[in-house]
Amino acid sequence: DTGVSQDPRHKITKRGQNVTFRCDPISEHNRLYWYRQTLGQGPEFLTYFQNEAQLEKSRLLSDRFSAERPKGSFSTLEIQRTEQGDSAMYLCASTPGVTGELFFGEGSRLTVL
Amino acid sequence: AQKITQTQPGMFVQEKEAVTLDCTYDTSDQSYGLFWYKQPSSGEMIFLIYQGSYDEQNATEGRYSLNFQKARKSANLVISASQLGDSAMYFCAMFNSGGSNYKLTFGKGTLLTVNP
Repeated sequence: DTGVSQDPRHKITKRGQNVTFRCDPISEHNRLYWYRQTLGQGPEFLTYFQNEAQLEKSRLLSDRFSAERPKGSFSTLEIQRTEQGDSAMYLCASTPGVTGELFFGEGSRLTVL
Repeated sequence: AQKITQTQPGMFVQEKEAVTLDCTYDTSDQSYGLFWYKQPSSGEMIFLIYQGSYDEQNATEGRYSLNFQKARKSANLVISASQLGDSAMYFCAMFNSGGSNYKLTFGKGTLLTVNP
C-alpha cells in the first residue's frame, strides 16, 4: 500500500505522560500536514512541512506539542505532559505540491485518561 | 480569515435518491479551491471532488457534483442515486492558492445517513 500511514492507530495514556505519533507520507510528497479532529468537529490545522522545513504552526499547537520531519520523509508529532483536552484524532496528510488536494492517513486516536 | 460553514449537522436520504449537502464559504481572496471529503466511521478522509475558483464549469466526479455559485459563495455537494455506503460524515473545505496560506480549512461537517 502506498498511501499515507500513521502509527499507532490508537493510543491510550495517562495524563502527564508523553506520546509520539509517526506519519509516513506518500513517497515523494514534499508537503506534510498535521490536523487534529475532536468529536463532532472538522479537522483543525496544526502544522505543515515542506520537505524538512516547518513552515507554519497553528496557535492550537501549544509549547507541549512539537513536530519534526527529519530528512523530509516521515514526520513525528510529540505531545508532552498530556492533558485530557488532548484527546482527539490526529490526522496526517501529504500532497505533492501546491495543488490543494490532501491525501490523508487513517489517523491516530489519542485517549488521555 | 477563511471560514467554511456547513449548516446541516445531519441529513437523511432514501437509497437511490439524490441529496444536496450545503456549504458556504467566506474569503477575500480571488484564487481559491473548494473540496469535499468523505469520512466513514473508520476515520480516513476520502477526497471526493474539487472546484477551482476560476473554473467556469461545475465539477463532476461520477455520482458527485459540486454546485458552485461564486456570487453567493456556496459550493454545495450533490450526490445522485444514494447508496448505503454513502452513509458517512461529509466535510467541505477551502484551500487558498494565493499567498502563503497553503492549508485546507474545514467546515464542521454533515452526517449523512442513507436509509434502505
